[in-house]
Amino acid sequence: GAGVSQTPSNKVTEKGKYVELRCDPISGHTALYWYRQSLGQGPEFLIYFQGTGAADDSGLPNDRFFAVRPEGSVSTLKIQRTERGDSAVYLCASSLGTGGKNEQFFGPGTRLTVL
Amino acid sequence: DQQVKQNSPSLSVQEGRISILNCDYTNSMFDYFLWYKKYPAEGPTFLISISSIKDKNEDGRFTVFLNKSAKHLSLHIVPSQPGDSAVYFCAAPGDTGNQFYFGTGTSLTVIP
Repeated sequence: GAGVSQTPSNKVTEKGKYVELRCDPISGHTALYWYRQSLGQGPEFLIYFQGTGAADDSGLPNDRFFAVRPEGSVSTLKIQRTERGDSAVYLCASSLGTGGKNEQFFGPGTRLTVL
Repeated sequence: DQQVKQNSPSLSVQEGRISILNCDYTNSMFDYFLWYKKYPAEGPTFLISISSIKDKNEDGRFTVFLNKSAKHLSLHIVPSQPGDSAVYFCAAPGDTGNQFYFGTGTSLTVIP
């Protein structure tokens, strides 16, 4: 079956602009996660959804970052007033259930470059 | 404050030999650990895991060892193959089990 997909695969934008990154999780997966991976670093947790609600958004760096999952499937990560430091690969993952023993399946990521 | 650490950014190994990738953690409450493998332009994929109640878990060529007293785990790949060349991340779930803490990764190159 299809895995987690993310669009676009690459996004180049100018400082100050608004961007939206999309994630299509595996069908039937109720949990959805966003991570950010900067160069030379491991994935860093941003936000976790269980169904439509953001169950844990403690990893969002500031209020320029926001994510939604209105129908409990597709999720969009929104970044306002982008800064050069936002440049990173944004990874989405989904899992069947919650908890550490539920395998998280990752998408290929969206590489965001802020000029 | 990095809760999961991988201090070796890269490792090169001859094909057929053993690859040993190391990971240290600071949070003694972690009760489960995972290793992920990542190829360029792809997302990480789950490789192997271990519960804190065990000290070893084996799956084919891959074995993970856990030393709780030292807060250290290692991934052994034997025999190493060129297709194993990738970045390997160690990870542990946080308190709620939903937030995973990842190490910075070790880039493994297996030389044919």
